[in-house]
Amino acid sequence: GAGVSQSPSNKVTEKGKDVELRCDPISGHTALYWYRQSLGQGLEFLIYFQGNSAPDKSGLPSDRFSAERTGGSVSTLTIQRTQQEDSAVYLCASSPTGREAFFGQGTRLTVV
Amino acid sequence: DQQVKQNSPSLSVQEGRISILNCDYTNSMFDYFLWYKKYPAEGPTFLISISSIKDKNEDGRFTVFLNKSAKHLSLHIVPSQPGDSAVYFCAASEANSKLTFGKGITLSVRP
Repeated sequence: GAGVSQSPSNKVTEKGKDVELRCDPISGHTALYWYRQSLGQGLEFLIYFQGNSAPDKSGLPSDRFSAERTGGSVSTLTIQRTQQEDSAVYLCASSPTGREAFFGQGTRLTVV
Repeated sequence: DQQVKQNSPSLSVQEGRISILNCDYTNSMFDYFLWYKKYPAEGPTFLISISSIKDKNEDGRFTVFLNKSAKHLSLHIVPSQPGDSAVYFCAASEANSKLTFGKGITLSVRP
């Protein structure tokens, strides 16, 4: 049984470039979350998908950030025109119930 | 507005003793509470959870206590082991909603 898979595990990008981060949730999990953790900080909520409901986008820090979840499974977080303050570990999690969430290993994004 | 608060940034305990990690929340709509453990360079790992209809949940060495009137929960680890050294996050949620996390506490268990 595979867990939540995120790719790439590390990404270095130049300021101003766009990046896409991918999350493959655990099969059958209806809920999917994106969080990020900046250096020395806690877990910052970004976006939450639950089944066919409209996603909760209230945590997205700016309109440069967007996320999709296709077919109720794979999700992609896109950051346009990256800035240095976007550097963080981006964590994806999925849940069968919308209660206990199971996290992937994260994508470490460095904007230079 | 921090709805889940872990006010102590760190805790150090002797191996074999009890570790007590505290968490406070402000949102009375939260009805489910969780603890996660995180090692460096890894994603958080789910440890234990509790519904608001209970006041205690136990799983091996880990016990979570919930005091709804005080909006306070705690994680007890006994006996503590060096491998328990990690960052511990408290989280809370309402039904069909995001998890809101505290800032975490770094636990160090001394051999």
